[in-house]
Amino acid sequence: AQKITQTQPGMFVQEKEAVTLDCTYDTSDQSYGLFWYKQPSSGEMIFLIYQGSYDEQNATEGRYSLNFQKARKSANLVISASQLGDSAMYFCAMREAGYSGAGSYQLTFGKGTKLSVIP
Amino acid sequence: DVKVTQSSRYLVKRTGEKVFLECVQDMDHENMFWYRQDPGLGLRLIYFSYDVKMKEKGDIPEGYSVSREKKERFSLILESASTNQTSMYLCASSLSRASANEQFFGPGTRLTVL
Repeated sequence: AQKITQTQPGMFVQEKEAVTLDCTYDTSDQSYGLFWYKQPSSGEMIFLIYQGSYDEQNATEGRYSLNFQKARKSANLVISASQLGDSAMYFCAMREAGYSGAGSYQLTFGKGTKLSVIP
Repeated sequence: DVKVTQSSRYLVKRTGEKVFLECVQDMDHENMFWYRQDPGLGLRLIYFSYDVKMKEKGDIPEGYSVSREKKERFSLILESASTNQTSMYLCASSLSRASANEQFFGPGTRLTVL
């Protein structure tokens, strides 16, 4: 079974509108972390936002917020007031702490969602 | 700002050649990672290193090896390049002691094996 599932291969959003990118995850760990990265056409992966499994509040970073629903194992990214520069691939990733040591620093990535912002 | 650099943005090699991809980070991070990215498959971990001279296999290590002789440098080696290793290769680093341990990525190397 996939550990990270992003069900939307591609999405369109009108400029200045909000958009939600879906991410569900699968883990039996109690302690884990969830990340979102943005990859523009230039190729570089840009870290956007992080949510720890024990964090009670949803993470926010500027126009990005993470809608964390632990019981449903979902960690959706919400981008408010979309801009043309938001057009990119977006990846959800998870870090598990199933065992100690180096392995706890690995990230497992989803397959990504391509977001296109329409003027 | 964390800076992760990779030796080449684009590389073209022939089948059977030995290929070195170099990655350097300037923020004293303990952990370094090599991924390959293919359309529709996302990022897949090849190898990672949590300390100098230490390495662990990721999900797809076959056909690759790595070297970490200095903390700031992590090399990915294709011993005998094959056409199915044509891909985008991304290097990343992270700090063990950070609460989020987010990974910082380099610009990527697009490798074509002919």
